[in-house]
Amino acid sequence: EVHLVESGGGLVQPGGSLKLSCAASGFRFESYAMHWVRQVPGKGLEWVSGISWNRDSLGYVDSVKGRFTISRDNAQNSLYLQMESLTTDDTAFYYCVKDLRGDYGEPTTLDYWGHGTLVTVSS
Amino acid sequence: SYELTQPPSVAVSPGQTATIPCSADRLDTHYVCWYQQRPGQSPVLVLYQDSKRPSGIPERFSGSNLGNTATLTISETQPMDEADYYCQAWDITTHVVFGGGTRLTVL
Repeated sequence: EVHLVESGGGLVQPGGSLKLSCAASGFRFESYAMHWVRQVPGKGLEWVSGISWNRDSLGYVDSVKGRFTISRDNAQNSLYLQMESLTTDDTAFYYCVKDLRGDYGEPTTLDYWGHGTLVTVSS
Repeated sequence: SYELTQPPSVAVSPGQTATIPCSADRLDTHYVCWYQQRPGQSPVLVLYQDSKRPSGIPERFSGSNLGNTATLTISETQPMDEADYYCQAWDITTHVVFGGGTRLTVL
């Protein structure tokens, strides 16, 4: 059974940094693209970033480019999101999500989701 | 940027058929996925590549994608189908994009 467990969320001041982690199990992590998707409580889904199985391809939503960095460690079955220069607009639940495929690109199918970790940016 | 448009809400009576549209320019040139999110839970994939059902998703869930509109159809709607539904596609500039979501109410 696929399990995705996010950690690293919490309260941070505007301008601060935070690193999210996602521990994956139940599937061959090294073979699949992975993503981060966020959701402001009570609002819709917003894709944040994605990375291919071999780290060759990745992408970000415009609002986080230059501030967030996605990475993965296939030996540790882990996905990461380093977040810098955080603003109140970054406050949301952040979901770690598995792709149906290994490549990053079309078609992207998000077939398993973690439970999410809450990031709150506030002074 | 590429945008997917969904109605904020759809209401259906139990046992009837619910249809949820998702619209964008030339949407049928992209594959569309649909996700169900019940209150307090993480999203669940219910359809991918327009009309394919993942394992465990009932046959009541079906989809189509023609022209500018993709449609999620839920036949014989049950109270447990009450949830938010999101369409999603890939665009060369925006990459992964979601619709704004549709709240399905089963009256």
